Amino acid sequence: QLQLQESGPGLVKPSETLSLTCTVSGGSISSSSYYWGWIRQPPGKGLEWIGSIYYSGSTNYNPSLKSRVTISVDTSKNQFSLKLSSVTAADTAVYYCARQRGYSYGVDYWGQGTLVTVSS
Amino acid sequence: QSVLTQPPSVSGAPGQRVTISCTGSSSNFGAGYDVHWYQHLPGTAPKLLIYGNSNRPSGVPDRFSGSKSGTSASLAITGLQAEDEADYYCQSYDSSLSGSVFGGGTKLTVL
Repeated sequence: QLQLQESGPGLVKPSETLSLTCTVSGGSISSSSYYWGWIRQPPGKGLEWIGSIYYSGSTNYNPSLKSRVTISVDTSKNQFSLKLSSVTAADTAVYYCARQRGYSYGVDYWGQGTLVTVSS
Repeated sequence: QSVLTQPPSVSGAPGQRVTISCTGSSSNFGAGYDVHWYQHLPGTAPKLLIYGNSNRPSGVPDRFSGSKSGTSASLAITGLQAEDEADYYCQSYDSSLSGSVFGGGTKLTVL
């Protein structure tokens, strides 16, 4: 059974960089045809797609966040990571890591989510 | 404002049928991209209910069904149960944004 687990600081100061890691167990992150991505939900708001990385290493980002986002993969550790720079209070959210098998299949596996608060 | 438009809330009595709409555009549904639906309970990760417009993952009751036509999609829930009270989201791919998009979410209340 595939499992995804987010890890990283729960509190980040304004203007700094938010860094989260997703550890994948029960399967290989190098498996073909899968997208590994990040989705967030600010308090009281809906889900927002942040971006994803294909097994081949190509990335796609939400245009509204593109200038601040980097998603990378470490296949040796079976992990992928999110970096979001120059954060503000508007970036406070529950961050989920997730797997999607192509755009015709939906997100079938999710991490439990981790709350990141941006505050001084 | 979300690229995919959902009603903020819907409600129904136990046993009834409810539908949740999701309106897109020519750059997502109209371009042939599929819609997926999720159920989200507070404090948990969203759960995939419908993928590829009308397919149910293993374990999802057949009370849940999905459809898509043109630039609109809908999720139907029959035999409404108290445990169905949750937030529901639609998702698709948008070619003008070159990425995934979610609807704003619909809160289902079971009366």
